[in-house]
Amino acid sequence: DVKVTQSSRYLVKRTGEKVFLECVQDMDHENMFWYRQDPGLGLRLIYFSYDVKMKEKGDIPEGYSVSREKKERFSLILESASTNQTSMYLCAIAGTSGANVLTFGAGSRLTVL
Amino acid sequence: QQQVKQSPQSLIVQKGGISIINCAYENTAFDYFPWYQQFPGKGPALLIAIRPDVSEKKEGRFTISFNKSAKQFSLHIMDSQPGDSATYFCAASEDYQLIWGAGTKLIIKP
Repeated sequence: DVKVTQSSRYLVKRTGEKVFLECVQDMDHENMFWYRQDPGLGLRLIYFSYDVKMKEKGDIPEGYSVSREKKERFSLILESASTNQTSMYLCAIAGTSGANVLTFGAGSRLTVL
Repeated sequence: QQQVKQSPQSLIVQKGGISIINCAYENTAFDYFPWYQQFPGKGPALLIAIRPDVSEKKEGRFTISFNKSAKQFSLHIMDSQPGDSATYFCAASEDYQLIWGAGTKLIIKP
């Protein structure tokens, strides 16, 4: 089974800090996604990438950027964290079962003070 | 047009009962309807999915019922168990982009 690893499970940052969230997959999947999960709002797509150095904005890209320098690694960057970015961040990959069948990491819970 | 509306937001069911979660959509171009299950501290995981050419799909105790004319689909969990306590998300897809419901927190009382 494919494994999606989010190395930082819990982070506490201060307003204005730069935050890096990293996601690593152990297979050769092309499509990777960053979602934000908030109670009552479901999952909202921030960015996705369909290949190395390729990225597309999702529904809520404002305040975020991404980096994909290697196929297995997809990073989410908060250039200047704000309190309204306190959330659970989920990385996912689309596997061989179909581009809309996602495997998620365990999530990174970010608190911005 | 792009929304998927999920209800209820939370649900408490007695062990052995039937849990029912409903979703409604507007976009008739959606062609794939998955349900994901999320346990605390974990990411969501695909539970079961259906395409609009069938009205029902069953996998063990989990069944999706699909009503194309009403633009609704629902998840039924038969003989609900405490281990089914989780958050459930419905979603709908067109051209591989998933649109998610808001989630339902299901608690099964022993």
